[in-house]
Amino acid sequence: QSVLTQPPSASGTPGQKVTISCSGSSSNIGSNSVHWYQHLPGTAPKLLIYRNNQRPSGVPDRFSASKSGTSASLAVSGLRSEDEADYYCAAWDDSLSGVEFGGGTKVTVL
Amino acid sequence: EVQLVESGGGLVQPGGSLRLSCAASGFIFSTYWMSWVRQAPGKGLEWVANIKEDGGEKYYVGFVNGRFTISRDNAKNSFYLQMNSLRAEDTAVYYCAKGRGYYALDEWGQGTLVTVSS
Repeated sequence: QSVLTQPPSASGTPGQKVTISCSGSSSNIGSNSVHWYQHLPGTAPKLLIYRNNQRPSGVPDRFSASKSGTSASLAVSGLRSEDEADYYCAAWDDSLSGVEFGGGTKVTVL
Repeated sequence: EVQLVESGGGLVQPGGSLRLSCAASGFIFSTYWMSWVRQAPGKGLEWVANIKEDGGEKYYVGFVNGRFTISRDNAKNSFYLQMNSLRAEDTAVYYCAKGRGYYALDEWGQGTLVTVSS
């Protein structure tokens, strides 16, 4: 069981907005930056958001994220078919001295 | 262009050993933390270990329990994961990844499959 909790699935129709939550604790999200990754099966994972809400160059501004206390969220607006993928939150955990990933959320575009 | 290329995966019997390698190019390798992350079949991403720029600090996930060792050779722009006492549950695609800061991983390899089975 992951230290960071994400819903297993989320879905929306093209153009809609989907939000994914990530719940942690004071030792991880509460005291460290949260990062988000997009992963299509069979490919290399991609960094989508770093340091809670920063987008690497090349990531569309349809992807946004925020953090509050021990929780974080990723929003995908203007949903497109190519957004269908698994999304993971991650953060350093001070108690475990390691990186923790959430269990992942599979986004389906209906 | 940043490239990370894993090698060394394959089929190994329970209790056996494997050494994974990750060859890096396109950036100043010696100035970045590097990590190994794995994904077991049907499961999510799981961080395994990371190593500081000079190799002076290393961290491991709890389940490794002394079985895995991460190392690097900055002269060869490469880093490694020595895996001993392998178990069936270590079966996974192993990815190498480059650190960005604050433990974010901004570049990833394509992965190498490790299968532990008799």
